[in-house]
Amino acid sequence: SQKIEQNSEALNIQEGKTATLTCNYTNYSPAYLQWYRQDPGRGPVFLLLIRENEKEKRKERLKVTFDTTLKQSLFHITASQPADSATYLCALGDTGGFKTIFGAGTRLFVKA
Amino acid sequence: DGGITQSPKYLFRKEGQNVTLSCEQNLNHDAMYWYRQDPGQGLRLIYYSQIVNDFQKGDIAEGYSVSREKKESFPLTVTSAQKNPTAFYLCASSIYLAGGADTQYFGPGTRLTVL
Repeated sequence: SQKIEQNSEALNIQEGKTATLTCNYTNYSPAYLQWYRQDPGRGPVFLLLIRENEKEKRKERLKVTFDTTLKQSLFHITASQPADSATYLCALGDTGGFKTIFGAGTRLFVKA
Repeated sequence: DGGITQSPKYLFRKEGQNVTLSCEQNLNHDAMYWYRQDPGQGLRLIYYSQIVNDFQKGDIAEGYSVSREKKESFPLTVTSAQKNPTAFYLCASSIYLAGGADTQYFGPGTRLTVL
């Protein structure tokens, strides 16, 4: 069955450092991959989308890579800030489909 | 102010009772979704609707029902047949991007607790 794995352990980093979160998947060939941010008790918020034919995407301090051979995406936050502390969800989708598969997320803590 | 609203934010239910969760959007999106989120697990799809008067079961539809009579509204009923309904419920709508991708916009969620 299709499976998405994100590190279940929280990631603790110091302010100013780069945070790197990993998303691995199996038994799936997604047309695109998305990253969402979720704060406690709130709904996820869309951050970035990267398609299968793209290797890298950037948006301000965020960078996403997508390696379809390794079946892996890396999500980077550069110059991290305490306000970046949240849970980050990886999601995979198919072209034309209406079913997106979400990972369980990785909790990030950025210490001042 | 566009977006998705869910009500109520917190809901308590006694065992054996049905309860309906509200979801409204003014983004003019055709597709809407209901997810359930439990600690340590990814979002699980309950139902989704691509257009008015049409909806499809997701991965965990048993014990739930929905309706889509209006484009803006997609209420979810948690019935007494749902064996473990305590969870955080999220409603979403999506816009269909060029090239076949869709990005989802989520509501603030409803936390349902069965007493």
